[in-house]
Amino acid sequence: RKEVEQDPGPFNVPEGATVAFNCTYSNSASQSFFWYRQDCRKEPKLLMSVYSSGNEDGRFTAQLNRASQYISLLIRDSKLSDSATYLCVVNPPGNQFYFGTGTSLTVIP
Amino acid sequence: EPEVTQTPSHQVTQMGQEVILRCVPISNHLYFYWYRQILGQKVEFLVSFYNNEISEKSEIFDDQFSVERPDGSNFTLKIRSTKLEDSAMYFCATEGEPAMNEQFFGPGTRLTVL
Repeated sequence: RKEVEQDPGPFNVPEGATVAFNCTYSNSASQSFFWYRQDCRKEPKLLMSVYSSGNEDGRFTAQLNRASQYISLLIRDSKLSDSATYLCVVNPPGNQFYFGTGTSLTVIP
Repeated sequence: EPEVTQTPSHQVTQMGQEVILRCVPISNHLYFYWYRQILGQKVEFLVSFYNNEISEKSEIFDDQFSVERPDGSNFTLKIRSTKLEDSAMYFCATEGEPAMNEQFFGPGTRLTVL
C-alpha cells in the first residue's frame, strides 16, 4: 500500500469556483501533514501545514481526519494563478517525508 | 526573504561518472534533506541530515550516494557512479524550527546521465 495517495486529476475548474482535494495516508502514527504546490518544472513550495483542528489561510482551508486517515485542501474563489500541482506530504514517525503524486489543477478563465 | 540555493542548475554527465550536487541552506536552519523527482513522477525522499550525520535514508539512498556538510555551510549530495536511471531533478530542502517540520526547497539541480 502506498504511503500517500492522491487523486491525480486533472481538475479543470472555472475562475471563482471552489475545488477540493483529498489525500489518504497509510501510517496511522503519522505526525505532521502539509500541502505544497508545485508549478511546472519548479520546486515544491509550502502552501500550508495541516493541523488537527483544521486551519485556514485566506481562500485555502486544510482539514485533517485522523480516524479516516485523510487530509483535504479546499480552495475557494479559484484564481488563474492557482493553476498548479498540489502535493500532499505526510511525515510518519521519524524524519522521512512522503509525497503524494500530486493533483493537477487548471483554473480556466 | 532567505532562500535555499542549489548549484549547478543543470548537470550533464556520462554514465559511470561521479557528480556532486551542492546546496546552500537557509542560515540557521539545522535539518537538511535531499529529494529527487524523476520527470513526470512524484517527489521521493532520499535522506535527512542533522548534526552532521544522516538521521534517515530511503531505500533509494544506496552505497552510490553520500552526503556531507564539508564546510559548515554547503550541503552536498555525491553520486559515485551515475546510472541512466539517476537522471532526475534533485531538490535540497532545509528546515529550521523542528517542531514545525516545515521544509523550504531549493530550485533543484536537473541531472542528466547520458
